[in-house]
Amino acid sequence: EVQLVESGGGLVKPGGSLRLSCAASGFTFSDAWMSWVRQAPGKGLEWVGRVESKTDGGTADYAAPVKGRFTISRDDSKNTLYLQMNSLKTEDTAVYYCCRGGFNFDYWGQGTLVTVSA
Amino acid sequence: EVVLTQSPGTLSLSPGERATLSCRASQRVSSSYLAWYQQKPGQAPRLLIYGASSRATGIPDSFSGSGSGTDFTLTISRLEPEDFAVYYCQQHGSSPLTFGGGTKVEIK
Repeated sequence: EVQLVESGGGLVKPGGSLRLSCAASGFTFSDAWMSWVRQAPGKGLEWVGRVESKTDGGTADYAAPVKGRFTISRDDSKNTLYLQMNSLKTEDTAVYYCCRGGFNFDYWGQGTLVTVSA
Repeated sequence: EVVLTQSPGTLSLSPGERATLSCRASQRVSSSYLAWYQQKPGQAPRLLIYGASSRATGIPDSFSGSGSGTDFTLTISRLEPEDFAVYYCQQHGSSPLTFGGGTKVEIK
């Protein structure tokens, strides 16, 4: 059974940093492109970024609002995806979902809430 | 950036009725690169349709997708109580990947 379990969310002040983790199981993580998608409270879905599998190059790609502030990485030895978020803004407040796939997303985690507030 | 516009914003229907949801793209999207998701309150989204018309694993055949170019449609042939939710379209033909704003299907 495919499982994606996010952790690391919480309350952080504007300008602060946070690192989210996503523990994957039930599939060959190293073969998969992985993505982060977020959802602000009461709003729609927004793609944050994705990372290729290492065999496809391992390059990460980001949405404009987070480019230069967020970094997606992966540790295939730990079957874990990461989202390092720096220079956080109030508009980054959202539930962050880890997703399998770099194009469409066939499995989603349960999400972790990030609140950016003074 | 490809902007996806979903309509209507809210669809009020009764169980057993047919639902037709629209997704219009600001520029042509290859059919291979259009997906639909369902999201219920407090839950993560679930992939319903990929490649514009292929059902994902475990999705009942009451759900169907169609369309090409800039106009795509999700049809629910007969609404079950568990189908009342928010539906999003998504394109992945070009980066950034984008989602539509969603259509809420509510019980009339």
